[in-house]
Amino acid sequence: EPEVTQTPSHQVTQMGQEVILRCVPISNHLYFYWYRQILGQKVEFLVSFYNNEISEKSEIFDDQFSVERPDGSNFTLKIRSTKLEDSAMYFCASSDLFSGANVLTFGAGSRLTVL
Amino acid sequence: KQEVTQIPAALSVPEGENLVLNCSFTDSAIYNLQWFRQDPGKGLTSLLLIQSSQREQTSGRLNASLDKSSGRSTLYIAASQPGDSATYLCAVITQGGSEKLVFGKGMKLTVNP
Repeated sequence: EPEVTQTPSHQVTQMGQEVILRCVPISNHLYFYWYRQILGQKVEFLVSFYNNEISEKSEIFDDQFSVERPDGSNFTLKIRSTKLEDSAMYFCASSDLFSGANVLTFGAGSRLTVL
Repeated sequence: KQEVTQIPAALSVPEGENLVLNCSFTDSAIYNLQWFRQDPGKGLTSLLLIQSSQREQTSGRLNASLDKSSGRSTLYIAASQPGDSATYLCAVITQGGSEKLVFGKGMKLTVNP
């Protein structure tokens, strides 16, 4: 069964450092998403991406965050200057239709620890 | 602002029981509702998707119902097994053009052999 692949599975970084989380969505999917889950809290929406641009973003997704689809297969989330509160599990998801019409397939997540 | 609540936060049952997991949401104008399963340290696996026009969906031992007007959904698990132990999350997409899933905090289920 097709999977969404995320790397790294766990990254530890110092506060203020830049981090790039990588995702390989399912190959024929057109819609891409990042969500995050701080330990013990709800899964929260960060951003959606379609047709090479952001289609929606949450208030969490400030200027420190950016997303990119640098080639036909990867979808990345960059955090420019990490803060302690960025420590969370980050999930990538993809869908072949607008998420209201079809299920999202989530990756296993990238755990980010900011020290 | 849409809020999704799942009560209780945790449930421990003996194997073989039929279970009902509850989900409530504050804004009934939803596009769809999804139930997910999350295993420790793993991603989210979609279990069932119910469109706003539907009343229920079934997959194997799982049955999810939706009562949009009252803002509730239930996930029914028949004949529970230890392998069903996981956290179950409910999430909705609200009408109005937003694509984002709004999640509940989840319910941690433990099925004891």
